[in-house]
Amino acid sequence: AQKITQTQPGMFVQEKEAVTLDCTYDTSDQSYGLFWYKQPSSGEMIFLIYQGSYDEQNATEGRYSLNFQKARKSANLVISASQLGDSAMYFCAPWGSARQLTFGSGTQLTVLP
Amino acid sequence: DGGITQSPKYLFRKEGQNVTLSCEQNLNHDAMYWYRQDPGQGLRLIYYSQIVNDFQKGDIAEGYSVSREKKESFPLTVTSAQKNPTAFYLCASSIARDPSYEQYFGPGTRLTVT
Repeated sequence: AQKITQTQPGMFVQEKEAVTLDCTYDTSDQSYGLFWYKQPSSGEMIFLIYQGSYDEQNATEGRYSLNFQKARKSANLVISASQLGDSAMYFCAPWGSARQLTFGSGTQLTVLP
Repeated sequence: DGGITQSPKYLFRKEGQNVTLSCEQNLNHDAMYWYRQDPGQGLRLIYYSQIVNDFQKGDIAEGYSVSREKKESFPLTVTSAQKNPTAFYLCASSIARDPSYEQYFGPGTRLTVT
């Protein structure tokens, strides 16, 4: 199974500031992709952003963007202009040759007013 | 509104009893998934189904069983053989089994076994 590392168990950011959540993955697969999901305290998982290994441009979705560095095997999530509603757990989840998602242990983000 | 429903939100059972968790989707998705989440951890795949009457084991299938008799429904049974059944269970679906497709998640069922 892939090894996923999210090194920041907890992060704090001031409202309206940008924040970067780290994710590194260990894969030898040539074809793979990576999702980021948000999990509020209510428990449901919300899709944020996706990028495939063959995509040349870093993905962006509104205030979310991926800093995808294949050589370093990292795919950091950047949230711009943080809002109080961004407070949640954030999971990165790559897939590879096993063709299923493997979830990291998550980062708890708290946005301060 | 299209989506995934899981019921109930909270479930309590005595040790030794089987319990079935419900998952229904009206997104017309072919693929469905069950995940387990323990406190402070990410999700782990229990079972998945690519199509009606087909399902495959995930990483932690022992002590669980599923059925897929209808496209909309993918119930999960937690059997008495599951040694640590207390957890948060999430059901998901996607258009197809292709892992590049986004998975849509239900609100989850929190199971407590005492």
